[in-house]
Amino acid sequence: QSALTQPRSVSGSPGQSVTISCTGTSSDVGDYNYVSWYQQHPGRAPKLMIYDVDKRPSGVPDRFSGSKSGNTASLTISGLQAEDEADYYCCSYAGSPWLFGGGTMLTVL
Amino acid sequence: EVQLVESGGGLIQPGRSLRLSCVASGFTFDDSAIHWVRQAPGKGLEWVSGISWNSANIDYAGSAKGRFTISRDNAKSSCYLQMNSLRTDDTALYYCLKDIGLNWGLGTLVTVSS
Repeated sequence: QSALTQPRSVSGSPGQSVTISCTGTSSDVGDYNYVSWYQQHPGRAPKLMIYDVDKRPSGVPDRFSGSKSGNTASLTISGLQAEDEADYYCCSYAGSPWLFGGGTMLTVL
Repeated sequence: EVQLVESGGGLIQPGRSLRLSCVASGFTFDDSAIHWVRQAPGKGLEWVSGISWNSANIDYAGSAKGRFTISRDNAKSSCYLQMNSLRTDDTALYYCLKDIGLNWGLGTLVTVSS
């Protein structure tokens, strides 16, 4: 199975909204509501931001939201802040193996 | 506070073996699945292996199958990753994580080089 497809980079200005896409297939993203998103700052361990497509763990700001349409999941960050600048990874954990996207670098201009 | 602490990494020659450990605290270990995810220098995340709470379900990535073995000891709140026949492309920071990744360790670095 191939990795999920994410854009290499996205950018936005403070206060704006950005959306990161994550494209899989009908065998993974499209078939199950088991998609998660992780934020990783340089030199730090990843942090879970979204799970089960659109659920936020306690403590994650509601500026972060997830959705899915067909074989593509999306992470939307609204009201961009400087601290949102990081790498973001999607993951399909429907079964074995877990599949990660290649990662998207978010730049806050 | 949930903590996962990995250890056992280091510099190792190709073809040799290494055993990683992950010691957990702050939660009911034997209620949780544990996974290993690695990240090569400057690269993305790659799932390596996962084990269910009772060891009944064990899975491996294709790159790990036949060379790596995951196990756990619930009495010691520990999970292990035995890595054999190591290759240079196994060089990475290896993280252990609980369930779907709400909690991660800081990772242990494995460098495979002659």
